Amino acid sequence: KQEVTQIPAALSVPEGENLVLNCSFTDSAIYNLQWFRQDPGKGLTSLLLIQSSQREQTSGRLNASLDKSSGRSTLYIAASQPGDSATYLCAALTQGGSEKLVFGKGTKLTVNP
Amino acid sequence: EPEVTQTPSHQVTQMGQEVILRCVPISNHLYFYWYRQILGQKVEFLVSFYNNEISEKSEIFDDQFSVERPDGSNFTLKIRSTKLEDSAMYFCASDRFSYEQYFGPGTRLTVT
Repeated sequence: KQEVTQIPAALSVPEGENLVLNCSFTDSAIYNLQWFRQDPGKGLTSLLLIQSSQREQTSGRLNASLDKSSGRSTLYIAASQPGDSATYLCAALTQGGSEKLVFGKGTKLTVNP
Repeated sequence: EPEVTQTPSHQVTQMGQEVILRCVPISNHLYFYWYRQILGQKVEFLVSFYNNEISEKSEIFDDQFSVERPDGSNFTLKIRSTKLEDSAMYFCASDRFSYEQYFGPGTRLTVT
């Protein structure tokens, strides 16, 4: 059974800092891994999707990496801004016919001006 | 850019009442999903739907829940007799090729 864990649960940084959010998964037979952003009381905005055959994906100041062998993914945010404050969720889609995304609990990021 | 929409944004209902949550998936998508997020907890999978039938469901998705695609555009989740513990944010998602799910803004269900 796939389980996804995110550490830390919360992170507070000053504006301009580069930061890394961590995601680990127990079943390395994943099809892909998605990173989402969730603002308070709002929906899920997809940030990056990494296919199992890929090592990383980049979008603007965001870079996500995937290491299936160690069961880890990281989301790197460069030059953080107060507008980046949100909860960041990772979710794994496991191989073997299941269509469900398994989510971590998220990392709540606060970027202080 | 096409997006998944959900109505209503917030629904308040009394325990024991039936509720229907509505979703309009992205028009050329073939796979449809419902997830829920109880306040402070993880987003949890409820059900997936493809080719007009349920393709996978979780243990949460018991006989109180049902899904339907009544026409070519809507996808609904019905809860027959709501319980206090059904209070949550419900997310609809859709996917064209079963590998990247796009989520709607959610419906906050409050059961009193």
